[in-house]
Amino acid sequence: EVQLVESGGALVQPGGSLRLSCAASGFLFRRSAMHWVRQAPGKGLECVAAITSDGNDAFYANSVKGRFTISRDNVQNTLHLQMGSLTTEDEGLYYCARAGGGQERPGGTHAMDVWGQGTTVTVSS
Amino acid sequence: DIQMTQSPSSISASVGDRVTITCRASQNILYFLIWYQQRPGEAPKALIYAASSLQSGVPSRFSGSGSGTDYTLTISSLQPEDFATYYCQQSHSHPLTFGGGTKVELK
Repeated sequence: EVQLVESGGALVQPGGSLRLSCAASGFLFRRSAMHWVRQAPGKGLECVAAITSDGNDAFYANSVKGRFTISRDNVQNTLHLQMGSLTTEDEGLYYCARAGGGQERPGGTHAMDVWGQGTTVTVSS
Repeated sequence: DIQMTQSPSSISASVGDRVTITCRASQNILYFLIWYQQRPGEAPKALIYAASSLQSGVPSRFSGSGSGTDYTLTISSLQPEDFATYYCQQSHSHPLTFGGGTKVELK
């Protein structure tokens, strides 16, 4: 079964850091581009970061550039998101999602076709 | 960044209705447009990619059209399971951006 399972969400103080992980199974992880998409409570979707299948290229939303780092371990089949200088604007449910169509670069014609269940980040003192 | 604007923000409709949602990009995105459905408490689900191609397993009552800056998602006959929020997303250039969403509610 193709599956993505996020973890690492927690309550963190403003200015703090957090590392999210996404464990992939059931598909050739090392050949798939990946994304982190967040959703603030009651709000829409925002793609905060994306990474190529080989991990050599990463892309970020302006709102997180310089504070977040996406990375991957193609041996452990795991995607990570290192988050720093957190504010209340970073609160929400964080999903990892696979680029469909066998895409090795994010973007392109195919959708994010497999999503995890999400992990919740809360920023509060 | 490419801005994606959806309209309307909400629709009240009945089972069996034909529903149309539009999405406008702030610049030409060719056909790099994707539609997702999100039911409450669930992750988004891809419906349409490349503006008009149906994602595997998605019912044929869903269709997409458009090019350039203007795109449309149509549900030909609304079913009970279609009451949800719909998002467009451009995949033309980074950062990838989504529209604000259209909530389809029961009239």
